[in-house]
Amino acid sequence: AQSVTQPDIHITVSEGASLELRCNYSYGATPYLFWYVQSPGQGLQLLLKYFSGDTLVQGIKGFEAEFKRSQSSFNLRKPSVHWSDAAEYFCAVGGNSGYSTLTFGKGTMLLVSP
Amino acid sequence: DVKVTQSSRYLVKRTGEKVFLECVQDMDHENMFWYRQDPGLGLRLIYFSYDVKMKEKGDIPEGYSVSREKKERFSLILESASTNQTSMYLCASSFSGARGETQYFGPGTRLLVL
Repeated sequence: AQSVTQPDIHITVSEGASLELRCNYSYGATPYLFWYVQSPGQGLQLLLKYFSGDTLVQGIKGFEAEFKRSQSSFNLRKPSVHWSDAAEYFCAVGGNSGYSTLTFGKGTMLLVSP
Repeated sequence: DVKVTQSSRYLVKRTGEKVFLECVQDMDHENMFWYRQDPGLGLRLIYFSYDVKMKEKGDIPEGYSVSREKKERFSLILESASTNQTSMYLCASSFSGARGETQYFGPGTRLLVL
């Protein structure tokens, strides 16, 4: 069965500092990997996704993520955090089922301090 | 832009009431999904549908049913609401395909069962 682990429930980062959110997955074949962001009271917005090819993926709002097969990881990064990045971030893994179902991690809440 | 709308942002219902949550997408997506989101548990898949009148159970279908009479509309039904169904409900849709396709989310319905 596929699963996603986001080890950090909360992370606090100073505005302007760099950010890395961790995501580890378990999946039997080549995974399809996603990062979503959720602002308070809102639905989920796609930040970026990895299907194949270049393992460094660029997304919206200046985010990027790197797929590392050997470590079963897909960590999200941003070089300089803005106060508006404060939100909850979800990593998800999908596969080749044809139904496009995803398994989500439990999320990491990002707090940005001034 | 893909648009997924949900009929209500907030709902308050009594225990034992029948509750309908409606979701509509405007992108001609084959797949539609219902999740519930609870603090510390992330998103959990309740049901999904890959075609009109077709449905599949997700990870937590107990106490819920669904209906998909038209391609653009997917309804979640709580036959007899209980307090443990108080939650945030998120609808999503995606294209079908051999690859994991991006899911697009609605803004969510926050349901309180008293």
